[in-house]
Amino acid sequence: DAGVTQSPTHLIKTRGQQVTLRCSPISGHKSVSWYQQVLGQGPQFIFQYYEKEERGRGNFPDRFSARQFPNYSSELNVNALLLGDSALYLCASSLQGVGQETQYFGPGTRLLVL
Amino acid sequence: LAKTTQPISMDSYEGQEVNITCSHNNIATNDYITWYQQFPSQGPRFIIQGYKTKVTNEVASLFIPADRKSSTLSLPRVSLSDTAVYYCLVVGVDSSYKLIFGSGTRLLVRP
Repeated sequence: DAGVTQSPTHLIKTRGQQVTLRCSPISGHKSVSWYQQVLGQGPQFIFQYYEKEERGRGNFPDRFSARQFPNYSSELNVNALLLGDSALYLCASSLQGVGQETQYFGPGTRLLVL
Repeated sequence: LAKTTQPISMDSYEGQEVNITCSHNNIATNDYITWYQQFPSQGPRFIIQGYKTKVTNEVASLFIPADRKSSTLSLPRVSLSDTAVYYCLVVGVDSSYKLIFGSGTRLLVRP
């Protein structure tokens, strides 16, 4: 069975640009979450979506936005990129994103902002 | 959600058993303890989850004392490929969609 997939794997942008990252959850999973992982730190929660609705948002500025599509795939958008946005962006999926469900992470998208 | 504290790093040798302890003094009644493993430039991978006493799977064991204020991840007979960062998380039933990661424990397995 295919796991969580993310695209692109790597991306280089310059300050002020906009970026869109994509995630496809495991088949049957309806919840998608996004995390940012800066080098040397643990992942930080950005968003969770379930059934196309935003269920939770972390402490990130409004430059970060996301959406979930009817097929449960998701996009993360970041506007007006800053150098500090350079990180590994992780997507995780789970069945419903509740209780003690296991979240399955994708390989991530490595974003470098110059 | 309860804050977790775990060692920053640990060293071991191939074939040894490794125990990583995590403290979570403010764990709530309905919280679970979950461990993830992460290799460089990869997403975290679920290892094991438990509520109390002992849980064992094909990869690891998780020991949780009666007061649940700490937990120990046990990796039997580690190999070089177990070199990774290990994260201890407390997962709340009501807000488990939001995983809160600390800095984790960097385990280095030497030949």
